[in-house]
Order: sequence, then C-alpha cells, then structure tokens
Amino acid sequence: AQKITQTQPGMFVQEKEAVTLDCTYDTSDPSYGLFWYKQPSSGEMIFLIYQGSYDQQNATEGRYSLNFQKARKSANLVISASQLGDSAMYFCAMREYVTGNQFYFGTGTSLTVIP
Amino acid sequence: DAGITQSPRYKITETGRQVTLMCHQTWSHSYMFWYRQDLGHGLRLIYYSAAADITDKGEVPDGYVVSRSKTENFPLTLESATRSQTSVYFCASSDAGGPNQPQHFGDGTRLSIL
Repeated sequence: AQKITQTQPGMFVQEKEAVTLDCTYDTSDPSYGLFWYKQPSSGEMIFLIYQGSYDQQNATEGRYSLNFQKARKSANLVISASQLGDSAMYFCAMREYVTGNQFYFGTGTSLTVIP
Repeated sequence: DAGITQSPRYKITETGRQVTLMCHQTWSHSYMFWYRQDLGHGLRLIYYSAAADITDKGEVPDGYVVSRSKTENFPLTLESATRSQTSVYFCASSDAGGPNQPQHFGDGTRLSIL
C-alpha cells in the first residue's frame, strides 16, 4: 500500500486565490511527521511546512497552512493568496519514527498559477 | 557555506561504466539519503544511512552501492551503469531525534546514460 497518496497530478489556480493540495497517508506508527516540499522548475527541493502527529493545532508558515485531519489521515496543504512564483511541483512526505526514520514521498502535484 | 552539496551537477556516461555521485553536508546531520526522481514516480529512495558506517536499502537499491566512512559524505556509486538509471539524483540529510526533523536536499545531479 502507498504510504503517501497525492491524487491531483495537476492543479490550476487564479492568482490571489487560495488553493488546497490533497495528501493522504497510511501508517500504523503513532509518532510521525508530515512535510510539504516545493520543487520549482529550477529543480531544487524546498521545505515548506511540518506537522507532527501529536500536534493539536494545524501548522502555519506564512501563506502556507496544513489542514491536518488525523482521523482521516489527511494532511492537505493550503496556499493562500497564490502568486505566480507558487507555480511548481508540490510533494507531500511522511517520516515515521518507530519504524526506521525513513521518509516517504507522494508522486507530487503540479500547481500552475494563472495571472 | 553550510549546506548540502552534490557533485557533479550534470553527468553523461555510457552503459557499463562506473560512476560515482558525491554528496557532502556541513551540518553534521546523522541521516543521509539518496533518491532518484523520474517522471510519474516522484522521489524513490535508493539508500539511506543513519550514521557513519550504517547504511540501509531503500525502495530501489539494485545496481547502486553506497558507503559512509565519514558523517559528512555519502557517495553513491553505479557499478555498471544502465540506461534505466538515467535520472535526476537527489541527496538529502536530516538530523536525528524524531519525526519532526525535515530533510534538506542538495540541488540534484542530472545523470544521462547513453
């Protein structure tokens, strides 16, 4: 079974609008972390935001927020007030603690911001 | 400068040749990782290392060899390159201590095998 599932291969959003990128995960480890990374066309991987499995509140970093629904095993990324520079691939990832500290990545969502 | 650096950035080689991709980090992170990125597959883990002299296979280890004699270096060797190993390779590092530590990535090596 896939550890991380991103079901949206491509998304479009109008500039200045908000957009939600979906991510669901699968783990039996009670302690885990969820991460989002951005990969612009230049290729580097940029860490955006982190959510811990024991965190009570949703994580926020500037225009990025993580909508964490533990019971549904979802960790959706919300980007508010989209900018042209947000056009990129976005990857959801999970790090399990007890089962080996590996990271698992989804296949990514390509976001295009339309002026 | 502190960070994680990969070399070379671009490499073209022929099938059957041995090629080594270098990765160096200055944070003294315990964990280091090698991924390959191919269209439609996202990032796939090749090998990872929890500390010097400790390495483990990831999802796609066949055809690759790693070593970690020093904490800061984690070279990846393709012993006999094949066309299917044409890919973009990313090295990453992470501090130990729990699932709240993100990975930090190098800029990648674009490898073409002819």
